Amino acid sequence: GAGVSQSPRYKVAKRGQDVALRCDPISGHVSLFWYQQALGQGPEFLTYFQNEAQLDKSGLPSDRFFAERPEGSVSTLKIQRTQQEDSAVYLCASSPGTGAETQYFGPGTRLLVL
Amino acid sequence: EDQVTQSPEALRLQEGESSSLNCSYTVSGLRGLFWYRQDPGKGPEFLFTLYSAGEEKEKERLKATLTKKESFLHITAPKPEDSATYLCAGGIGTGSARQLTFGSGTQLTVLP
Repeated sequence: GAGVSQSPRYKVAKRGQDVALRCDPISGHVSLFWYQQALGQGPEFLTYFQNEAQLDKSGLPSDRFFAERPEGSVSTLKIQRTQQEDSAVYLCASSPGTGAETQYFGPGTRLLVL
Repeated sequence: EDQVTQSPEALRLQEGESSSLNCSYTVSGLRGLFWYRQDPGKGPEFLFTLYSAGEEKEKERLKATLTKKESFLHITAPKPEDSATYLCAGGIGTGSARQLTFGSGTQLTVLP
């Protein structure tokens, strides 16, 4: 079946603009994660959903970052008033259940803030 | 503090030259040690999950092993198509909070 998809793949924003990044997880996957990956680094955890419930948002760097998954499938990561330091690749991952399972990643959205 | 450290940062091998990548971790309540491969411009691609010390898993030219403090990814007779960044991650969290803590990766280049 289809894997995790993300859109857009690339986004250029002017400093101060709001952006919205979309993630379509693998169908039926209960858990959904967002990670941020800086150039040359490993991904860093941002937030975790179990169905529609956001159970962990400890990795969100500031209150400008907001994520939702209202119907327990598609998720949106929103960044308000973007700053240059927000430039990174944003990765979405999903897993079938809620245990210590493999997370399957999407291709990522590369955000460049000018 | 939960930490995952990978070494070396970069590795260049000749085709057929076997080697190993290291991943050391200090993760409390480790729930799985994960290996991923990442190609430029793509998301991480799952390779292996190891859950307990002594466990080993193999796939083609790759073999992952786990001890109580570290994991190794052994590459036997690599080919140029094995060139990629290899990431390891520790699964952490209790109850309903789960996340992966990643190392910075090892960038592997296999020369023909």
